[in-house]
Amino acid sequence: QKEVEQNSGPLSVPEGAIASLNCTYSDRGSQSFFWYRQYSGKSPELIMSIYSNGDKEDGRFTAQLNKASQYVSLLIRDSQPSDSATYLCAVLTLRDDKIIFGKGTRLHILP
Amino acid sequence: EAGVAQSPRYKIIEKRQSVAFWCNPISGHATLYWYQQILGQGPKLLIQFQNNGVVDDSQLPKDRFSAERLKGVDSTLKIQPAKLEDSAVYLCASSSYRGPAYGYTFGSGTRLTVV
Repeated sequence: QKEVEQNSGPLSVPEGAIASLNCTYSDRGSQSFFWYRQYSGKSPELIMSIYSNGDKEDGRFTAQLNKASQYVSLLIRDSQPSDSATYLCAVLTLRDDKIIFGKGTRLHILP
Repeated sequence: EAGVAQSPRYKIIEKRQSVAFWCNPISGHATLYWYQQILGQGPKLLIQFQNNGVVDDSQLPKDRFSAERLKGVDSTLKIQPAKLEDSAVYLCASSSYRGPAYGYTFGSGTRLTVV
């Protein structure tokens, strides 16, 4: 079983709409969860971290965590063309104390 | 605060040749990581250092890859001999004394093409 799973996409969303990105993880003991944004040809950039069940909001971004379902999501409100990128879900595994990345979801915002 | 520095940015080599990458983490960051990112995939951890000691190298192909972190600061990752499947971006990351629970900062990466 893969440790962090994401739909690879591409996910196409009209400009101004809400983009919803999803991720599941296998290590039930994981405590820290991250969303990284990666533009083509660039390195990953941390945009959100979440540690407790529920929602965490930062500007247009909302991260959601449900530990019982082992599910993490990222919502991007008022999507802009500049949000077009690959979004990597990452999980800090309690067992190994290292961050495991999913394959990423390619997001395309349609002007 | 200066970011994680990596060099070179790009490297093209023939298979069976050797190559080395260099990383200088953010000042004071004790933990350093090398990740390999193949096109279309997420980063995969190759090796993790805590100061100058190896914490985890379980995913490092030790028959051809080696890494060191002298004096707990700079690190080099070497591939010898390279194979076609080593074509990837090699990312260096570091985390502060607060630990990976606060996320990593990545360098700009080295894009390796093996022909």
